[in-house]
Amino acid sequence: DTEVTQTPKHLVMGMTNKKSLKCEQHMGHRAMYWYKQKAKKPPELMFVYSYEKLSINESVPSRFSPECPNSSLLNLHLHALQPEDSALYLCASSLTGDQPQHFGDGTRLSIL
Amino acid sequence: AQSVTQPDIHITVSEGASLELRCNYSYGATPYLFWYVQSPGQGLQLLLKYFSGDTLVQGIKGFEAEFKRSQSSFNLRKPSVHWSDAAEYFCAVVGGGADGLTFGKGTHLIIQP
Repeated sequence: DTEVTQTPKHLVMGMTNKKSLKCEQHMGHRAMYWYKQKAKKPPELMFVYSYEKLSINESVPSRFSPECPNSSLLNLHLHALQPEDSALYLCASSLTGDQPQHFGDGTRLSIL
Repeated sequence: AQSVTQPDIHITVSEGASLELRCNYSYGATPYLFWYVQSPGQGLQLLLKYFSGDTLVQGIKGFEAEFKRSQSSFNLRKPSVHWSDAAEYFCAVVGGGADGLTFGKGTHLIIQP
């Protein structure tokens, strides 16, 4: 069983919808991450939170909005997405920024 | 900026045979290196890591990797593969601080019966 829990597992949404992806860990990790993974490609870093503060935003479009309400939770708010945003979205956490990252199973997102 | 190269996109190995997956990195200082495995539709599972010290590191599922600074390599090995090892394997590096992982393009491992 993964120690990083992501919900929902699958999400289909239209381009005008607003939805959120959720990620939760209870390992006491202080760094949390969002990655985007297209088919047959490696994960690409989107955002990094360190001690609940956004430390890295890899030039991600504003239609993706991250939020870290507390040290255990990480959200990714989605609005006005494009078909090319269809991908597997992976959440990860690590004790600190240079420690091994633990990944959730991801949310498979499809934009109609 | 750091980078990772995995030269082999696909590798086919017979069940019971030995395996070596190649990984080369580029990083200015001593890197933190990782191997992850991903089964279809799943997240990534950490196989092993190298931070410092002994250059031969042991991981889960019978995998090991050897760090060679002179060759900028961190190759993954397993003496005898099982059909359940078929998956995508990613080598990754992280710099100092909360930088996030930089992944190689991955190697797709196929196991022949």
